[in-house]
Amino acid sequence: EEQLVESGGGLVQPGGSLRLSCAGSGLTVNTNYMSWVRQAPGKGLEWVAVMYSSGGTYYADSVKGRFTVSRDDSKNTLYLQMNSLRAEDSGVYYCARERWMNNWFDPWGQGTLVTVSS
Amino acid sequence: EIVMTQFPASLSVSPGDRATLSCRASLSVSSNLAWYQQKRGQAPRLLLYGASTRASGIPARFSGSGSGTEFTLTISSLQSEDSAVYYCQQYVDWPRTFGQGTRVEIK
Repeated sequence: EEQLVESGGGLVQPGGSLRLSCAGSGLTVNTNYMSWVRQAPGKGLEWVAVMYSSGGTYYADSVKGRFTVSRDDSKNTLYLQMNSLRAEDSGVYYCARERWMNNWFDPWGQGTLVTVSS
Repeated sequence: EIVMTQFPASLSVSPGDRATLSCRASLSVSSNLAWYQQKRGQAPRLLLYGASTRASGIPARFSGSGSGTEFTLTISSLQSEDSAVYYCQQYVDWPRTFGQGTRVEIK
């Protein structure tokens, strides 16, 4: 079974940093497009960032310059480094897989909650 | 950026009745459209891709139609477990974008 498991969420002060992890099992992170999608409390889904199988990245304007996606192939894990955090970055962060030529999100992880507050 | 608009924002349907959800794209996405179901407190789950193909394990009462800019998700005979928020999403271009969701409630 293909699974993604996020971790690393928590409470952080505005301006602070946090690193989220997304561990893959039953699938290989570096052969897929791997995205981060977030959901503010009571709101809809917002795509945040992607790492392509090539290692290239692309970010939503709302996080460009503050967030960085990376991966560790030896651990089959995707990361999201979040710096200069703002209150509006609060929410549940999901990782999700896209396959080449099958570019819908499936599967999704269970999500990890990030709260930015003083 | 392709803007996805869903309507209605919410609807209340009796068990066994049909629910029809709409999604509109600001530019043509061809058939590069997915629908997701999100139950309270859970991660989204893929329902349909290619606008009309059911994902693995999805019941036949879920169907999709449309192409270009206008899409529809139909739940033919609503069950209590279908209470959820439903999102459409385009995957023809970056950034990937979602509709704001339609909440389906059971009367």
